[in-house]
Amino acid sequence: GAVVSQHPSWVICKSGTSVKIECRSLDFQATTMFWYRQFPKQSLMLMATSNEGSKATYEQGVEKDKFLINHASLTLSTLTVTSAHPEDSSFYICSAKQAVGYEQYFGPGTRLTVT
Amino acid sequence: GENVEQHPSTLSVQEGDSAVIKCTYSDSASNYFPWYKQELGKGPQLIIDIRSNVGEKKDQRIAVTLNKTAKHFSLHITETQPEDSAVYFCAASGMGGSEKLVFGKGTKLTVNP
Repeated sequence: GAVVSQHPSWVICKSGTSVKIECRSLDFQATTMFWYRQFPKQSLMLMATSNEGSKATYEQGVEKDKFLINHASLTLSTLTVTSAHPEDSSFYICSAKQAVGYEQYFGPGTRLTVT
Repeated sequence: GENVEQHPSTLSVQEGDSAVIKCTYSDSASNYFPWYKQELGKGPQLIIDIRSNVGEKKDQRIAVTLNKTAKHFSLHITETQPEDSAVYFCAASGMGGSEKLVFGKGTKLTVNP
């Protein structure tokens, strides 16, 4: 149980284009989803927290107009990187949490490369 | 805000030996402490967690201990195997009622056969 999927697993895009990453909870309802980015050999950095049906809460320093998050259902959240630039290249990981309990379950991650 | 320190940053052990990774946290209001294992190119996998009302928890070869007074918690892996090689992250959450996890910087564990 507690499986989270992400799609795509990797994506290459050109500078200036937008990319959408999907995060799905496959066997539970995720009232809260989190988006992280991780640079090589570094820890996870929280970008934003989203609750189903509500606007996402962004961490300090994260541009909400650049990283658009939508949590439209209890099993799906999306992250759209708008006008991507090479410095946005990173490993993006989502996690999902049920209403009850503390556990966060992570997806397999999406490797974004902007050329 | 919460700060989580993790040591060591790298750990190399022989197969069959035990491995211990330690973390300290700053906010006494934190009440949930998970440990994640991350293999190269993959997302973190929850391996064990502990709540602040418990001092120790064990699951087969893995155990976690929590000292609330000293604000530190540790991961213990016994009888290590090569497949235990990965990066391990500790985290803390619950301060101020927040669900957000604050992560340590990670420990790269290498188990030599």
